[in-house]
Amino acid sequence: QTVVTQEPSLTVSPGGTVTLTCASSTGAVTSDYYPNWFQQKPGQAPRSLIYSTNNKHSWTPARFSGSLLGGRAALTVSGVQPEDEADYYCLLYHGGAHDWVFGGGTKLTVL
Amino acid sequence: QVQLQESGPGLVKPSQTLSLTCTVSGDSISSGYYYWSWIRQHPGKGLEWIGYINYLGNTYYYSSLMSRVTISVDTSKNQFSLKLSSMTAADTAIYYCARYHSSGRWFDPWGQGTLVTVSS
Repeated sequence: QTVVTQEPSLTVSPGGTVTLTCASSTGAVTSDYYPNWFQQKPGQAPRSLIYSTNNKHSWTPARFSGSLLGGRAALTVSGVQPEDEADYYCLLYHGGAHDWVFGGGTKLTVL
Repeated sequence: QVQLQESGPGLVKPSQTLSLTCTVSGDSISSGYYYWSWIRQHPGKGLEWIGYINYLGNTYYYSSLMSRVTISVDTSKNQFSLKLSSMTAADTAIYYCARYHSSGRWFDPWGQGTLVTVSS
């Protein structure tokens, strides 16, 4: 069974920069995995932030960006705001089985 | 603005089949670009994609759940549904429906989710 791995938790100071990563047990993550990133705040449904590696929605703040970094998908938040404190989930497409697999999530603390 | 709303029982007995429905408003479920998805979240834990369907009834299911999952669509009601058989305590979760854009490869929006507890 495919496992997608994220950092369980990260802490960043307001105004700082943080990078969250997403790795697949199947090997290096490429654009063919169509990496997605979601933000979830307590008691709310997840909201899409980034899709297909680095594409933003109209509602995605400019400080969020997606990329591929060292065989992983990455989400970088530049100039972190207090309201960015949330859980972040990545999602990867594994085409062989046509499976979408979520990472376990990263709890981002702004302190 | 498109909205999705899950409905169904909050409590299911072990070994029974869960049936949930997602009602779509603000968009036609027959839009060609979209698949209509089910995703769940175990309490306090991560997310799990279950599967999706398009308006033609083409389905894709998560390989780990495939033997127990059926997703169907009712275009006349602008609804799609999930059936998950042989429920156990491990299936206790918040179940979300979401729209998937098959060209852009994104999932949004999501419904608010419905908690399903498996207990006798």
